[in-house]
Amino acid sequence: GAVVSQHPSWVICKSGTSVKIECRSLDFQATTMFWYRQFPKQSLMLMATSNEGSKATYEQGVEKDKFLINHASLTLSTLTVTSAHPEDSSFYICSAPTGLHNEQFFGPGTRLTVL
Amino acid sequence: DAKTTQPPSMDCAEGRAANLPCNHSTISGNEYVYWYRQIHSQGPQYIIHGLKNNETNEMASLIITEDRKSSTLILPHATLRDTAVYYCIVRVATNDYKLSFGAGTTVTVRA
Repeated sequence: GAVVSQHPSWVICKSGTSVKIECRSLDFQATTMFWYRQFPKQSLMLMATSNEGSKATYEQGVEKDKFLINHASLTLSTLTVTSAHPEDSSFYICSAPTGLHNEQFFGPGTRLTVL
Repeated sequence: DAKTTQPPSMDCAEGRAANLPCNHSTISGNEYVYWYRQIHSQGPQYIIHGLKNNETNEMASLIITEDRKSSTLILPHATLRDTAVYYCIVRVATNDYKLSFGAGTTVTVRA
């Protein structure tokens, strides 16, 4: 199957700092990527749809000024958590569709811990 | 999206077939059935998908009923590494169509 990578795999930061997470499609191009957040013992929650060359589309309740998304190329989307706080600590996962029926392939996730 | 209903958990024995049911009684004609799984602390993994015909790949088989209102994912020979949360999702197969994850089925394979 197609491969999606994320970097970093984990990050610990101080409250008030910003953290950037990268999502790359390694062997295919993706005009659309998705960002999810997962809290412990919960399912994945879609945060936003990242669109190459245009603005991201955010789900209801997700602050676009706090979670900045940039999709500058067909293989890279970045999520920046600005002014992170402990409640932003979570598992962040990206995905990208490819294949005949747009099967989605997921990155390995990034564990963010805000102290 | 058509909603799906899955049992919250199930156990199966190592080496035996695991049959995971999913109900999607409100599925539309252009919606596919997709299955993903998430092993603890990892990103979800695509398993298989289908529209109305049964499908098989190296990981699993997907059986879709004739009326398309339910489906079954079959792991033919479950191993301990198959312990994961399995998600059944129905969606239109366009590249910008979002996946909505429910609670899934927590499958525990026991030795």
